[in-house]
Amino acid sequence: DARVTQTPRDKVTEMGQEVTMRCQPILGHNTVFWYRQTMMQGLELLAYFRNRAPLDDSGMPKDRFSAEMPDATLATLKIQPSEPRDSAVYFCASGPSGTPSYNEQFFGPGTRLTVL
Amino acid sequence: QQQVKQSPQSLIVQKGGISIINCAYENTAFDYFPWYQQFPGKGPALLIAIRPDVSEKKEGRFTISFNKSAKQFSLHIMDSQPGDSATYFCAAIKRSRSEKLVFGKGTKLTVNP
Repeated sequence: DARVTQTPRDKVTEMGQEVTMRCQPILGHNTVFWYRQTMMQGLELLAYFRNRAPLDDSGMPKDRFSAEMPDATLATLKIQPSEPRDSAVYFCASGPSGTPSYNEQFFGPGTRLTVL
Repeated sequence: QQQVKQSPQSLIVQKGGISIINCAYENTAFDYFPWYQQFPGKGPALLIAIRPDVSEKKEGRFTISFNKSAKQFSLHIMDSQPGDSATYFCAAIKRSRSEKLVFGKGTKLTVNP
């Protein structure tokens, strides 16, 4: 049963600390997305990658957020320094290679981040 | 600027009733419209999707109706069940090299037994 995995599932940290969230996309998927979900803003796309290369990170605050794919099986989202307004659920999603994957984004279970 | 507007924000329906969620979009370049279903504590999952060259698509109890001229589309859940209780998101995308989905803000559906 192929699925996207995310760690940690829950993270509570204090303002100013660095936070790293990890995602393992479905094996063979070459497109990876990072989303943030809040009650106020809903689902927001932060960044996405194809074949490990960043294609768009315009939704991400550049001064504190960074996203990388060290290899095809790992995507990371870092926040440094974290702020209370970063509290949200962060989702990773992956899509298959080949034809446009706009209709096949598979979401992970999310990381619930609380910044005190 | 919100490109996909979704309503209502929340919806309560009795078991066996019809649930209707509406979305309106602004960008006429959008050419693919999926709906996602999200249960508490889970990530969204693709439920059903439609292209603008058809006016309706049905999969089991779920139907998407699409009105291209009005730039609106809606999700109908027939014979709603308590297990359908979830948050539903409409989305839109322009099929191209970019694969960025634009999501509505979601509708929390509660189906009472």
